[in-house]
Amino acid sequence: QSALTQPASVSGSPGQSITISCTGTSSDVGSYNYVAWYQQHPGKAPKLMIYDVTTRPSGVSDRFSGSKSGNTASLTISGLQPEDEADYYCSSYTTSSTIVFGGGTKLTVL
Amino acid sequence: QVQLQESGPGLVKPSQTLSLTCTVSGGSISSGSYSCYWIRQPAGKGLEWIGRVYTSGSANYNPSLKSRVSISVDTSKNQFSLKLTSVTAADTAIYYCAIQPPGEGDYWGQGTLVTVSS
Repeated sequence: QSALTQPASVSGSPGQSITISCTGTSSDVGSYNYVAWYQQHPGKAPKLMIYDVTTRPSGVSDRFSGSKSGNTASLTISGLQPEDEADYYCSSYTTSSTIVFGGGTKLTVL
Repeated sequence: QVQLQESGPGLVKPSQTLSLTCTVSGGSISSGSYSCYWIRQPAGKGLEWIGRVYTSGSANYNPSLKSRVSISVDTSKNQFSLKLTSVTAADTAIYYCAIQPPGEGDYWGQGTLVTVSS
């Protein structure tokens, strides 16, 4: 299975909004509404930010939102804050009943 | 609050079998069809899904690891385990366990570093 495609890096200034894309195929992102997004700070375990494309777990800021169109899912962070600087990973269920991750995106808050 | 803890040897010799256990607290994985899975992350690299076992017993594995990996669950102990055979240096990574209760998002452990070296 091939990894989902994410930009290697994105950046934004405090208060701005940024969007991270996650492109898959009709065998994963395009087939199911089972896309998740994780935030990972250095030396820490990944933290679930979004699941089932748009659902935020309890305790996750509503500045984080997810969406999907065709084979591409997106994570939008609004009102960017310094603590949002981290690596972000997407994942998707596949038609082979497996999970595939994206390569990760490094978010820099300028 | 659900918590997960990985345990097992931090050092494994090449060609041997890597064995890890994930213990779940704050919730019972026998109270529904939980998805229990393992993910790994080599230093400085991205996440790789290893595989998953449902508490019903069925399992799915990453095709690239399928010939070497086995994941099992013991609901009576609220634990699930990973076995990866014939390890090489390429299997050196932080290994995470995670569970997904029915209809919810997933919970992850803090991860455990496994180094493959003689």
